[in-house]
Amino acid sequence: GDSVTQMEGPVTLSEEAFLTINCTYTATGYPSLFWYVQYPGEGLQLLLKATKADDKGSNKGFEATYRKETTSFHLEKGSVQVSDSAVYFCALWAGAQKLVFGQGTRLTINP
Amino acid sequence: DAGITQSPRHKVTETGTPVTLRCHQTENHRYMYWYRQDPGHGLRLIHYSYGVKDTDKGEVSDGYSVSRSKTEDFLLTLESATSSQTSVYFCAISKSTGANSGANVLTFGAGSRLTVL
Repeated sequence: GDSVTQMEGPVTLSEEAFLTINCTYTATGYPSLFWYVQYPGEGLQLLLKATKADDKGSNKGFEATYRKETTSFHLEKGSVQVSDSAVYFCALWAGAQKLVFGQGTRLTINP
Repeated sequence: DAGITQSPRHKVTETGTPVTLRCHQTENHRYMYWYRQDPGHGLRLIHYSYGVKDTDKGEVSDGYSVSRSKTEDFLLTLESATSSQTSVYFCAISKSTGANSGANVLTFGAGSRLTVL
């Protein structure tokens, strides 16, 4: 079945470091891909999305490119801030009202 | 989150008792969802609704039932709570107008933390 695998966390970085959180997926067809972010004590909110191969989603300095050949959608940011500390979820829309999530990666940024 | 209210936000109950969580939306969207969030599992779909009185099961529906008698309210019921149902429960809505839209974006509520002793 459809599934999403994220890199194991937690991830701890210093402010201004480069961030990569890996995400790979397994799906039939061509799903839409998403990154959601969850700040402490809150629900998830959409960070960015891509709906077809080679699309690049971007928001708040974060980017991810839909790579069909490697079935990946890695999240990157060039210079992280303390305020980026959160849990990040990769997800795919598998159709039939099914949004499939990865297990989440907890990111902590130290000043 | 804007337009979605979950209640209660926190609940502690005992094994075997019934529990109902409520999700209320103010935006009149057709699709509503209940997810549970557990460490190491991300979020998993319990049930969803595609209209008043129209619901369907997700991947972890055993032990849960839902009802949607009004567009704005989606209730999740645990008929007899068990310790394995200790979790954080999130309601979400979809602003999609198509059942299989390829870019559905979900908006989530703030969550309801349930502890079953």
